[in-house]
Amino acid sequence: GDSVTQMEGPVTLSEEAFLTINCTYTATGYPSLFWYVQYPGEGLQLLLKATKADDKGSNKGFEATYRKETTSFHLEKGSVQVSDSAVYFCALSPPHAGGTSYGKLTFGQGTILTVHP
Amino acid sequence: DTGVSQDPRHKITKRGQNVTFRCDPISEHNRLYWYRQTLGQGPEFLTYFQNEAQLEKSRLLSDRFSAERPKGSFSTLEIQRTEQGDSAMYLCASSFDTSGQETQYFGPGTRLLVL
Repeated sequence: GDSVTQMEGPVTLSEEAFLTINCTYTATGYPSLFWYVQYPGEGLQLLLKATKADDKGSNKGFEATYRKETTSFHLEKGSVQVSDSAVYFCALSPPHAGGTSYGKLTFGQGTILTVHP
Repeated sequence: DTGVSQDPRHKITKRGQNVTFRCDPISEHNRLYWYRQTLGQGPEFLTYFQNEAQLEKSRLLSDRFSAERPKGSFSTLEIQRTEQGDSAMYLCASSFDTSGQETQYFGPGTRLLVL
């Protein structure tokens, strides 16, 4: 079945440091890939997504590129801020197949990011 | 605010009691999902509705669990004879299918503690 593996955390960085959170997946075909973020005390929010190979999703300075050859979707940010402290989840949904498929999400275990001033 | 809402936000119950959670999706979203998230883990899929039809149930959803979406709008998730292992955050998400560009929007969750 489908699965998502994220790098183990927690990750602790100083403000303005470069961030990479690794994510690899196992799935049939070309799934859609997502990064969700969960800020303290809040619900899951979509951060970015990519729906086909070589697509780059980006939002709020975060980027991730859909790499089919390495089955990866690593999250990067050039300069993190204290406000980026949160839990980050990589996820996938099955490829769309006409009108019969739907977007059941399979999540990784999450990576806790803490950014210090 | 027209996001996904869930009620209650917190529930503490004793083992063996029944509990019911409610989810109100974003209006006009035809798809609704339930997930369960335990501490330190990512959410796990429980069940999916397309309008009022329940189209898939995970094997995680034992016979003690039942979900409904009677009019294709709000949904309820009931757990009968709760067990301590049911303690978790229960998340609801909704979406509108646009030919493969589906994005799920999550509610704040209901945190269940079974004593």
